[in-house]
Amino acid sequence: AQSVSQHNHHVILSEAASLELGCNYSYGGTVNLFWYVQYPGQHLQLLLKYFSGDPLVKGIKGFEAEFIKSKFSFNLRKPSVQWSDTAEYFCAVNDQEVSGGTSYGKLTFGQGTILTVHP
Amino acid sequence: SAVISQKPSRDICQRGTSLTIQCQVDSQVTMMFWYRQQPGQSLTLIATANQGSEATYESGFVIDKFPISRPNLTFSTLTVSNMSPEDSSIYLCSAVPYNSYNEQFFGPGTRLTVL
Repeated sequence: AQSVSQHNHHVILSEAASLELGCNYSYGGTVNLFWYVQYPGQHLQLLLKYFSGDPLVKGIKGFEAEFIKSKFSFNLRKPSVQWSDTAEYFCAVNDQEVSGGTSYGKLTFGQGTILTVHP
Repeated sequence: SAVISQKPSRDICQRGTSLTIQCQVDSQVTMMFWYRQQPGQSLTLIATANQGSEATYESGFVIDKFPISRPNLTFSTLTVSNMSPEDSSIYLCSAVPYNSYNEQFFGPGTRLTVL
């Protein structure tokens, strides 16, 4: 079964610092990769996704992530964080084979990383 | 996109009782899912809610404990049956709209506390 590992449970940064949140998955087949964010008191929402093509994907609010197939990784980055980026971030993976070849559904989530940005 | 609402937003229940959570989407969707987020843990998929047929459950989850209905393309319910304190969790509904190109949208969740 697929498993997803996020390296850090809680990251604390000052504004303007650079951010990188690690995400590794275990299954080596065809996968779709996602980063979700949950701001305090709000719904879980999609930050960015990778299905195919350019392994460097850009999302909302200046976030980007790089898919490195050989390392089973999909790390999230932002060059300069803001106080408003304070939230919990979840990496998620969808196995196309497990889902019967479809490219959606059956998301496996990582444990989540709480990001706190100090002004 | 899709806007998903859940009712109730939170509830406190007694051991041995059952609670039904409703999930309503503002547009027709292809797939609907139910997740559980236990305290301090990540989201775990409970089941896929299939329209007009029995839900597909993940390992560790069974229909007798978590019966699910999906009578149409925009609505689903999850019942947590014969509750125990271990069922205290946030339960989330998600959906994939037809025009979303596989983006999964999430509801606000239902925070359940079982005493």
